[in-house]
Amino acid sequence: DARVTQTPRDKVTEMGQEVTMRCQPILGHNTVFWYRQTMMQGLELLAYFRNRAPLDDSGMPKDRFSAEMPDATLATLKIQPSEPRDSAVYFCASGLEAGIRDTQYFGPGTRLTVL
Amino acid sequence: GENVEQHPSTLSVQEGDSAVIKCTYSDSASNYFPWYKQELGKGPQLIIDIRSNVGEKKDQRIAVTLNKTAKHFSLHITETQPEDSAVYFCAAIEGNAGKSTFGDGTTLTVKP
Repeated sequence: DARVTQTPRDKVTEMGQEVTMRCQPILGHNTVFWYRQTMMQGLELLAYFRNRAPLDDSGMPKDRFSAEMPDATLATLKIQPSEPRDSAVYFCASGLEAGIRDTQYFGPGTRLTVL
Repeated sequence: GENVEQHPSTLSVQEGDSAVIKCTYSDSASNYFPWYKQELGKGPQLIIDIRSNVGEKKDQRIAVTLNKTAKHFSLHITETQPEDSAVYFCAAIEGNAGKSTFGDGTTLTVKP
């Protein structure tokens, strides 16, 4: 049963600290998405990659957030320095972009709390 | 950019009744419309989707309809069960770029 995995599942940190969240997309998928979910803003698209290349990161605060795909099996989202307003659940999703197949499969999320 | 509006924000039905959730979108370039179900503490899970060349799709108790002219699409759940209780999200995706915009979600409660 292929699934998107995310680590850590929960992270509590203090303001100013660096946070790195990791995602392993489903093997063979070539698109990766990062979302942030809060009660106030709902599900927001932060960035997404196709074939490891960033396609759009317009939803991401550039001064403190960065997203990368070091290889096809790992995507990372980094926040440095973290702030209390970054507290949210961060989801990674992967998909197989093959013309008509655009379905995104979500991971279980990383719950981030910045004190 | 794309804007997706979803209604209602909360919906409570009696077990066995039908539930309907509606979404509208603004960008005519959007051509793929998935619906996700999110249970507490979990990530959204795809339950059904529809593409812009199709008007209706059904999968057992779940159906989705799409009106491209009016730019709206709806999720229909028949014979609701308590395990259908969750938050449901619609989304509109521009297939070529893959950029997705989600609705704000509908909290569905099915009372036994």
